[in-house]
Amino acid sequence: KQEVTQIPAALSVPEGENLVLNCSFTDSAIYNLQWFRQDPGKGLTSLLLIQSSQREQTSGRLNASLDKSSGRSTLYIAASQPGDSATYLCARYKLSFGAGTTVTVRA
Amino acid sequence: EAQVTQNPRYLITVTGKKLTVTCSQNMNHEYMSWYRQDPGLGLRQIYYSMNVEVTDKGDVPEGYKVSRKEKRNFPLILESPSPNQTSLYFCASATRGRTDTQYFGPGTRLTVL
Repeated sequence: KQEVTQIPAALSVPEGENLVLNCSFTDSAIYNLQWFRQDPGKGLTSLLLIQSSQREQTSGRLNASLDKSSGRSTLYIAASQPGDSATYLCARYKLSFGAGTTVTVRA
Repeated sequence: EAQVTQNPRYLITVTGKKLTVTCSQNMNHEYMSWYRQDPGLGLRQIYYSMNVEVTDKGDVPEGYKVSRKEKRNFPLILESPSPNQTSLYFCASATRGRTDTQYFGPGTRLTVL
């Protein structure tokens, strides 16, 4: 079974620092990888989708990379803000989700 | 507005009392799915549907039923709920392709006493 792992489980940074969130998966034969944001008690909001033929996607301050050979995806958030505080989840295709990394950005 | 809706948003019930959580999407998506989210376990897929009348088990289907009679609706049925089904449930939809984005509903918090 495909496993998706996110480390660390929680992260606290001062405002303005760049965030690096990691996602690893056991099977390199993925179709796509999607990053989501979840606010407490809320649903999931899609941030970025990287197709298997792509190496990265960018949206504003967010950049996600995909390295199938090493089974890793990384989400970069530049110049973090308190509003970036949330849980970030990665998901392989439509099937397997990581447990998420909970981010706190301190003002 | 494109969206996935779920009802109810919150539900407290007792063991054994049948319940249905509805899910509806207005994006004409072929694919729909149910997940449950538990602390430390992340999201786990319960059932999914690739199209009308086509459903398949996910990772944790025991104790749940689904049906897909219409493209827009994908209800989750708990015939005899038990306390271990207390969880946060999400419905999601997407187009059928492998390169598409999933859209999630707001979630249903279920407590089974």
